[in-house]
Amino acid sequence: AQKVTQAQTEISVVEKEDVTLDCVYETRDTTYYLFWYKQPPSGELVFLIRRNSFDEQNEISGRYSWNFQKSTSSFNFTITASQVVDSAVYFCALSEVGDYKLSFGAGTTVTVRA
Amino acid sequence: EAQVTQNPRYLITVTGKKLTVTCSQNMNHEYMSWYRQDPGLGLRQIYYSMNVEVTDKGDVPEGYKVSRKEKRNFPLILESPSPNQTSLYFCASSLMKEGAEAFFGQGTRLTVV
Repeated sequence: AQKVTQAQTEISVVEKEDVTLDCVYETRDTTYYLFWYKQPPSGELVFLIRRNSFDEQNEISGRYSWNFQKSTSSFNFTITASQVVDSAVYFCALSEVGDYKLSFGAGTTVTVRA
Repeated sequence: EAQVTQNPRYLITVTGKKLTVTCSQNMNHEYMSWYRQDPGLGLRQIYYSMNVEVTDKGDVPEGYKVSRKEKRNFPLILESPSPNQTSLYFCASSLMKEGAEAFFGQGTRLTVV
């Protein structure tokens, strides 16, 4: 069963619009880690953020912000005032205790039009 | 510069012709793994290694082999490639620490015809 669900396959916005990417995860562990990665058109994977299950504080980094809610098993990602350079595939991933692998969602393709 | 290096970046091959994709990291990481990326499926782990001579299957190991003779290198071997192994492959390394950030190579786009 998929442990990480990114229900949005593709999102298209016009520059300067905000865009929120949903991520819902499933785990029985009480300790786990959540990640977001960005894959620009060039193909490499760029680490954006890591959050452990005990830290529910929202985080903001420039135009990026993350909303972690354990009650709904969600770790959503918002890009504020989107720019063309934000066009990429974004992956949410989960790492569980005792397992160093990442379980990825299917990814959300974000297209920002000028 | 800390990095994971994969080669080649692009490869087109024919069914049944053995190939190896190399992966090397310079961060002295214990944990290394291979993932494949397919549309609609995200990345899935093929094999992983916790240290030299210690390897194990991930979620989709069929048709693949790996070896870890040195800590820095973790090659992926396709003994008899088939068209369903056409995919984008990523090598990754990290510390053996829960929640550690994984560092990814630049990817290898493999096409098997």
